[in-house]
Amino acid sequence: EVQLVESGGGLVKPGGSLRLSCAASGFTFNSAWMSWVRQGPGKGLEWVGRIRPKTDGGTTDYAAPVKDRFTISRDDSSNTLYLQMNSLKTEDTALYYCTLGQGLLPGWGQGALVTVSS
Amino acid sequence: DIVMTQSPDSLAVSLGERATIHCKSSQSVLYSSNNKNYLAWYQQKPGQSPKLLIYWASTRESGVPDRFSGSGSGTDFTLTISSLQAEDVAVYYCQQYYGSPFTFGPGTKVHIK
Repeated sequence: EVQLVESGGGLVKPGGSLRLSCAASGFTFNSAWMSWVRQGPGKGLEWVGRIRPKTDGGTTDYAAPVKDRFTISRDDSSNTLYLQMNSLKTEDTALYYCTLGQGLLPGWGQGALVTVSS
Repeated sequence: DIVMTQSPDSLAVSLGERATIHCKSSQSVLYSSNNKNYLAWYQQKPGQSPKLLIYWASTRESGVPDRFSGSGSGTDFTLTISSLQAEDVAVYYCQQYYGSPFTFGPGTKVHIK
């Protein structure tokens, strides 16, 4: 069974940084495409970005609103996905979901809440 | 970017009745080389994470009850719940995975009349 457990959420001031982690189990992590999706308070779903497995280059793609501020990385030795968020803005306030997949998303974590406020 | 729209925004249906949700993409999500529509439906129950219901526009994910069905092709798609159950109260999102960024519709809230 796919399990994805996010951690690292919290309150941060505008302009600050935060790193989310996602512990993955129940599937072969090192061959999996992984993504982050966020959901603003009372809002819909927004795809944030994805990372390919190292066998496919391990490269990343991002949505325009977070490009050049957010970085997705992975540690296959510990089955962990990361989302480094820099230069945070109030509009980045959201529940951030770690997901299995790149476009089609068959597995979701419970989410980590990030609040950007002064 | 491909823009996804859904209608209606909200839907009240009696228990046992049919619920129909429409989704439209701003460009076709049908990939001609494999004749597959890169369109998925997700269900998000209150306080829960989204769950994949349907992919390739009409293929049910394992474990999804057969009262859920998807149809459509190209730019117009439909999710149908044939006989609404109390546990189906949720927000339903369509999503295209044809091309990055993989965009979602705004969601349709289904509740009991």
